[in-house]
Amino acid sequence: QQQVKQSPQSLIVQKGGISIINCAYENTAFDYFPWYQQFPGKGPALLIAIRPDVSEKKEGRFTISFNKSAKQFSLHIMDSQPGDSATYFCAASRNQAGTALIFGKGTTLSVSS
Amino acid sequence: SQTIHQWPATLVQPVGSPLSLECTVEGTSNPNLYWYRQAAGRGLQLLFYSVGIGQISSEVPQNLSASRPQDRQFILSSKKLLLSDSGFYLCAWSPRNTIYFGEGSWLTVV
Repeated sequence: QQQVKQSPQSLIVQKGGISIINCAYENTAFDYFPWYQQFPGKGPALLIAIRPDVSEKKEGRFTISFNKSAKQFSLHIMDSQPGDSATYFCAASRNQAGTALIFGKGTTLSVSS
Repeated sequence: SQTIHQWPATLVQPVGSPLSLECTVEGTSNPNLYWYRQAAGRGLQLLFYSVGIGQISSEVPQNLSASRPQDRQFILSSKKLLLSDSGFYLCAWSPRNTIYFGEGSWLTVV
């Protein structure tokens, strides 16, 4: 019930294409769903996050889609660029002090030019 | 603004030697603090988290320990390193849910 399952493990997208990464969770108590972006040799950085009271959140080329009934959420990267090549992690947690984020296993995205 | 510092950035240690990684957070008080490990090409494994001075929760049994001697200081230690302890160690802090990571420490045990 504590797992967050992320797919695919790796993804290759042409420049200008749409990158889609999916995550699924079991624990219905989760109510905070962030995505992190990690470049090689660096710590992960918060990219975008959503709470279950909305079905979609967009920030620039990055969009989170959230399906509460299916317990799934996804990251869409529009007009993917070579600079987007990185590892992406989804995560989930309860909105409770001291609760740690549960991370997916990550997706390595390569955007070819 | 808040910043997190983690050191050393890289280290190579022989099997059986001790380890000490240090992390400090500036610009906030009473943060939640975390240690994660990331094996090469793999996900983020939560090792320890702390909600206050002297309060440490361990997520997995292992060869490592953590301490929080001051409000904004978190230390990861080992008395005797194993080869399997090699990896990328990340300190992180959070005011509530969102976690902010440091730059990480690369540990190679040889």
